[in-house]
Amino acid sequence: AQTVTQSQPEMSVQEAETVTLSCTYDTSESDYYLFWYKQPPSRQMILVIRQEAYKQQNATENRFSVNFQKAAKSFSLKISDSQLGDAAMYFCARLYGQNFVFGPGTRLSVLP
Amino acid sequence: GAVVSQHPSWVICKSGTSVKIECRSLDFQATTMFWYRQFPKQSLMLMATSNEGSKATYEQGVEKDKFLINHASLTLSTLTVTSAHPEDSSFYICSALGYREGTEAFFGQGTRLTVV
Repeated sequence: AQTVTQSQPEMSVQEAETVTLSCTYDTSESDYYLFWYKQPPSRQMILVIRQEAYKQQNATENRFSVNFQKAAKSFSLKISDSQLGDAAMYFCARLYGQNFVFGPGTRLSVLP
Repeated sequence: GAVVSQHPSWVICKSGTSVKIECRSLDFQATTMFWYRQFPKQSLMLMATSNEGSKATYEQGVEKDKFLINHASLTLSTLTVTSAHPEDSSFYICSALGYREGTEAFFGQGTRLTVV
């Protein structure tokens, strides 16, 4: 089975500090998409950042950036200058064709 | 752009009745839609993948006769929970594959189903 693993069920970070959420995945494909989605208490899923596997350059989106290590099948999310509004569940996901798999999630708390 | 609307946002039904949840892509055509179930404090569990005009592909362990999925048009997929029981109470989320600066899954707001 193709799986996505997030080894940190919960994380906390001080406001304005930096935090990194881990994600590893399993795939036999060479071209696929990786995502980080945020789910706040409203439960609306929000795309944080996307990475195409064929692109070597790590994606960045304002305070959010990824460290994509294709050979290691690792896709970590770094949140810089953490804000209170960043508190949420974060899900790592992998998409290949119509196969869309989510990790178990990491609950991020931001401490004032 | 790329909005997915899910309706209703919450519903309460009696045991034994059926309830239909709609998932609409408002401004794009969604060939592929996904239906998920999410238990409290857990991840999204994929129930089925639906493609417009064809039968849905259900994940192992998901009863296709209980969770009927129809994707009759490029903008609408429906999930019908038939003969609902209290154990079907959950949060159901749909998403549609689309493109906005890259391939992306766009999510509906979710439906909180309570069976009493």
